[in-house]
Parts: sequence; C-alpha cells; structure tokens
Amino acid sequence: SQQGEEDPQALSIQEGENATMNCSYKTSINNLQWYRQNSGRGLVHLILIRSNEREKHSGRLRVTLDTSKKSSSLLITASRAADTASYFCATDPQGAQKLVFGQGTRLTINP
Amino acid sequence: KAGVTQTPRYLIKTRGQQVTLSCSPISGHRSVSWYQQTPGQGLQFLFEYFSETQRNKGNFPGRFSGRQFSNSRSEMNVSTLELGDSALYLCASKVSGRSTGELFFGEGSRLTVL
Repeated sequence: SQQGEEDPQALSIQEGENATMNCSYKTSINNLQWYRQNSGRGLVHLILIRSNEREKHSGRLRVTLDTSKKSSSLLITASRAADTASYFCATDPQGAQKLVFGQGTRLTINP
Repeated sequence: KAGVTQTPRYLIKTRGQQVTLSCSPISGHRSVSWYQQTPGQGLQFLFEYFSETQRNKGNFPGRFSGRQFSNSRSEMNVSTLELGDSALYLCASKVSGRSTGELFFGEGSRLTVL
C-alpha cells in the first residue's frame, strides 16, 4: 500500500494564483521529497525536507513538514502554465531504504 | 552530465512473451532503482541495485527480475507477460549512501501488453 496520500487528487487554478497540495503519511520518516511529472515523462526532483526541518523554500516553492501530524504541504506561488503537471510526495520511511510515492496531485494551470 | 537513459522508450508485447528493459544511470551513480507506474496503483517500487547486488525488493512476483553490471548499468526483465504488466517502467539513479537522497529519473519505458 502507498505510504503517502495526497490531497486533492486534482487541482485546477488560474495562472498567477497559488497552488497548495497536501501529503499525509503513516510511519516515521527520514525525509520527505516532492517530485513533478509532466504527462508520460520521468519524474523531476523538486525539493527534499528532512525530518528535523519544518519549512524549506526553493524559488517559488515552499514546503512544510509537520512530523507530529505526519503531513506535508507543497505551495507553488504565482503559478504559470508550465507548472501544469502531476506532483508526487515521496517518503523515506525509517528502515525501509526506499522511497515510497503517493498517488499524486494533478495540477492544471489555466491561462 | 548526461541524464538517466532508458531503452526502449516504447514497446508492445503479447501475453506470455518476455521483455528486457535497460537503464544507464548518471555517470558516477552506483545505485539504480526501478519503479512501475500504472493509473490504478501509482508508482510501485520494484527493486534497487547497488554495486551489482540487489539491495531492496518490492512486492512483485518472481516474474520480475533485474540485474546490475559492473558499469552500473541495469536491466530488468519481466517473463510470461500478463495484461496487467502494461505500465510505464521508470528507472532512477542516485549516488548512494545510507539514506535515500534525491532520485534522478529516466523518461521511462512504456510497455503495452496485448
């Protein structure tokens, strides 16, 4: 079964608006990562946040991690049409030695 | 640096056949992982290889196998193909280390089983 569950499954917003995606997981983790996938392509790493970090920024991306609630959020500010893609959270469960991916959020940016 | 290269990109097979997919990792990366992606199950971990040894394995039947060569290139094989094996197979590499760091993915091999 998947470690991470993402919410919402699909999100459609206007260009320029902010997009927020959430991820919940079940077990203790070493780190949590976010990836982007354009339709039918490979995944591209966006950001990694370690279990002892609460917030991290990278350009227009902001990731938060709440280990007490076992949840994370990805915020994309000032969205662009090129941000249209599926976004996946991936957890590194302690002792698992592998990344476990959520089902993803399909983000559509309307021009 | 060249990225992760997967071949072939697309292939069509019939039930009962077998298939071999290839992955060339980024130069210097010694770990290669394989994932299966389907609309219903999402991204499922198949296995990871490091220094020619399988280091971790997901919950897939024995029809799914893999190997890694001394130059870190990896292959995965699926025997006795079933319709449900139709999927995008993704290979990812990383430098390695104890904890799971950033994975670098290839574009995938899209397998269709008829």
